[in-house]
This record gives sequence, structure tokens and C-alpha cells, in this order.
Amino acid sequence: KQEVTQIPAALSVPEGENLVLNCSFTDSAIYNLQWFRQDPGKGLTSLLLIQSSQREQTSGRLNASLDKSSGRSTLYIAASQPGDSATYLCAVPGANSKLTFGKGITLSVRP
Amino acid sequence: ETGVTQTPRHLVMGMTNKKSLKCEQHLGHNAMYWYKQSAKKPLELMFVYNFKEQTENNSVPSRFSPECPNSSHLFLHLHTLQPEDSALYLCASVRRQSASTEAFFGQGTRLTVV
Repeated sequence: KQEVTQIPAALSVPEGENLVLNCSFTDSAIYNLQWFRQDPGKGLTSLLLIQSSQREQTSGRLNASLDKSSGRSTLYIAASQPGDSATYLCAVPGANSKLTFGKGITLSVRP
Repeated sequence: ETGVTQTPRHLVMGMTNKKSLKCEQHLGHNAMYWYKQSAKKPLELMFVYNFKEQTENNSVPSRFSPECPNSSHLFLHLHTLQPEDSALYLCASVRRQSASTEAFFGQGTRLTVV
């Protein structure tokens, strides 16, 4: 059974800092991994989808990497801003395309 | 705007009420999912529909009844709920290309059972 872990559960950084959010998964037989952002009380917004054949995927200040062999993905946020404050979740599809989610990392960027 | 619309955004219902949640997508996807998100817990998959057929029921109590009349609409019918069913209910429209799976979520319905 796939398990997805995101540690730490919460992170607070000053504005302008570059930061890395980690995601680990137990079953490396995945086809892709997806990173989401969730604002309080809202739905999930897709940030990046990274295929198993890719090592990196970039969108603006965000960069996601995937290392299947080690069961890890990272989301790099450059020059963090207060507007980046949210919960970040990663998810991997399993059998029958069921997505397994981590618990998320709640990020707070202090002005 | 994700292309997935959920209504209502907020719902308060008594334990004897019957209500329905609605999800609509016009992204051309053939799979739609219901998730439950409770405080401090990971998202819990409830139901999966592929081509209007239910392919997954994750041991969900019968007081939750899904319906998928076509590939663009998904409903969750609620009756005789309990206070512990209060949560954010999220709908996802899922695109499958080759072996890749990409999910698009609605804004959710915040349900409070009183």
C-alpha cells in the first residue's frame, strides 16, 4: 500500500527566503506525482505535474523534482512571498488511478 | 478557475435532513472522484466513477450515496448524517493520459452537521 509522507507538518520562513518542501513515497512504481496548493477552506489548486520520465518541472518561481529510485520529490519555492502562505500537498496515483495524498505542509511566509 | 464547479460552497444541515452536493466539470474527463477532508487528516477517497460507473467505494457509510448521471456531473446525496461527518467535501475531475493521472479539484463544499 502506497504511503506518502510530508515532513515537517508546518514551516515558517521570512519573506524572500528560498525553501524546499519534501515529499516521500514508499512505492516507487509511480507514473507521475502532482503538487497542489490549498488555501484555508478552499479546494486544491494544481501547481505542477511531474512525469516519472522527467526529473524536473518548472512553473514560475516553483520547481519540482522527482527521484523515483529514492522515493522522493521536492518542491522548491524561490524568493518566497507572504502570498505563498498555504498548505502544500503532494499526491501519487496508484492502482486504478487512485491518488494517495500526504498530509501536507503548512507554510507561513512572514513579511 | 480549475474547470470544476462545486455547489453549494457551504451547507449546514440537521441530522434528519436530506441534502445533495453537486459537482460539474466540462474538461472532457471521464473520471470523477469524491474526497472528504477533515481537520488534521489526509484527504480520504470516498468514491470513484469512471465513465459513469462506480469503480471504488472506500467503505463509505450508506448515509452517503453518490450518483453520476453523465460524465460531466457527480452528486453526493446525504441523509441522516452525524456531526462527525462535518468536513470539507472535495470533488476531483481526473484526466488519464497513457499511464499518467492528473487531478483537478473544485473549491469544495464546507459541510456542517448540527
